[in-house]
Amino acid sequence: DGGITQSPKYLFRKEGQNVTLSCEQNLNHDAMYWYRQDPGQGLRLIYYSQIVNDFQKGDIAEGYSVSREKKESFPLTVTSAQKNPTAFYLCASSVGQGAQPQHFGDGTRLSIL
Amino acid sequence: GENVEQHPSTLSVQEGDSAVIKCTYSDSASNYFPWYKQELGKRPQLIIDIRSNVGEKKDQRIAVTLNKTAKHFSLHITETQPEDSAVYFCAASITTFNKFYFGSGTKLNVKP
Repeated sequence: DGGITQSPKYLFRKEGQNVTLSCEQNLNHDAMYWYRQDPGQGLRLIYYSQIVNDFQKGDIAEGYSVSREKKESFPLTVTSAQKNPTAFYLCASSVGQGAQPQHFGDGTRLSIL
Repeated sequence: GENVEQHPSTLSVQEGDSAVIKCTYSDSASNYFPWYKQELGKRPQLIIDIRSNVGEKKDQRIAVTLNKTAKHFSLHITETQPEDSAVYFCAASITTFNKFYFGSGTKLNVKP
């Protein structure tokens, strides 16, 4: 969906380095999500936010941090505490009310140098 | 929390045949069930969804059925085409919490 922009498309992390993945949406959605996808596996929830200035941990939050200072932005920081960060990261958003689907960005592929 | 199981993990069919992918969920409070198609290296895209007050929904060659009593829902693709080849994910959600739980995915291969 053109309404969600993730950048960069590819990212390389050096050992001990924190990196930040950007996610911006212009859909006026309240809820935003970060997922991690490993090869051949499903989507695992890292963090989600239902409203500005509020977010909750998902199933695999350790080694990651987020912020939600603006409605349209939900950046994800992969910290040095995440020992196995190599994965495909997907950002999504949804209206946040009722039975509405998520819309996904194109993803960021993170690798370790 | 909710647990969504999806089967099979891989499915190979001949072009023109039907394909069926099944998912079960554990939380009876789940009331919204979307299905996504993901091509290699691309974003998941919604192909069909169903709400818990409906038993079946159809959109051209794609249909989804929901059995709330048994807590399972299925994706049916008829007259498959090579471009249907992709990974398909089911998901379950309790709409008041806006949290989605995904199945592990089914890799569908349609042989020409």
